[in-house]
Amino acid sequence: NAGVTQTPKFQVLKTGQSMTLQCAQDMNHNSMYWYRQDPGMGLRLIYYSASEGTTDKGEVPNGYNVSRLNKREFSLRLESAAPSQTSVYFCASKWVYEQYFGPGTRLTVT
Amino acid sequence: AQSVTQLGSHVSVSEGALVLLRCNYSSSVPPYLFWYVQYPNQGLQLLLKYTTGATLVKGINGFEAEFKKSETSFHLTKPSAHMSDAAEYFCTMLNAGGTSYGKLTFGQGTILTVHP
Repeated sequence: NAGVTQTPKFQVLKTGQSMTLQCAQDMNHNSMYWYRQDPGMGLRLIYYSASEGTTDKGEVPNGYNVSRLNKREFSLRLESAAPSQTSVYFCASKWVYEQYFGPGTRLTVT
Repeated sequence: AQSVTQLGSHVSVSEGALVLLRCNYSSSVPPYLFWYVQYPNQGLQLLLKYTTGATLVKGINGFEAEFKKSETSFHLTKPSAHMSDAAEYFCTMLNAGGTSYGKLTFGQGTILTVHP
């Protein structure tokens, strides 16, 4: 039981490049989330998916898109990366009240 | 609007001393509150949670927190700090109503340093 997995662990992009962050969970949870973590700001919600086939914007969705491919997988896409998107990205899934977090992707945009 | 405020971005204690990390919340509905811990370069791990019932909740690694509705607080404590407690701690609130249903609101985080 791997829990929540994320790939890649690290990534460096140039401004304007695109990439997709992958997230998968093997706990059969319906809800999944993407957060970004910046120093002194806690975690901020980018997008979430309450169930397979649905996605909704969170607090900071601009510059991102998501896909809930199936119940297990929830990907986050940066179409044209900007330096302001340099951050650590966490995926999470939820069961009842508790969210389970992946190990994170550290993204740097130069 | 619902919010979570952690008082103090950095807390430093000596090994064996009391740990007290402060958290206040604002919510228009009864809150569900959580403390998460993040060790360096890792994801977040749930320490403890308050949903309903007993207001003093115990978590892993000897931590506990007390929900005080009158003070809108959910402070995290541990009687005796250990070097391994050094980490960043996040107080969070689950939005249990309205358009934000099911989403977590995070505090800004408190970095705990433990000195020998």
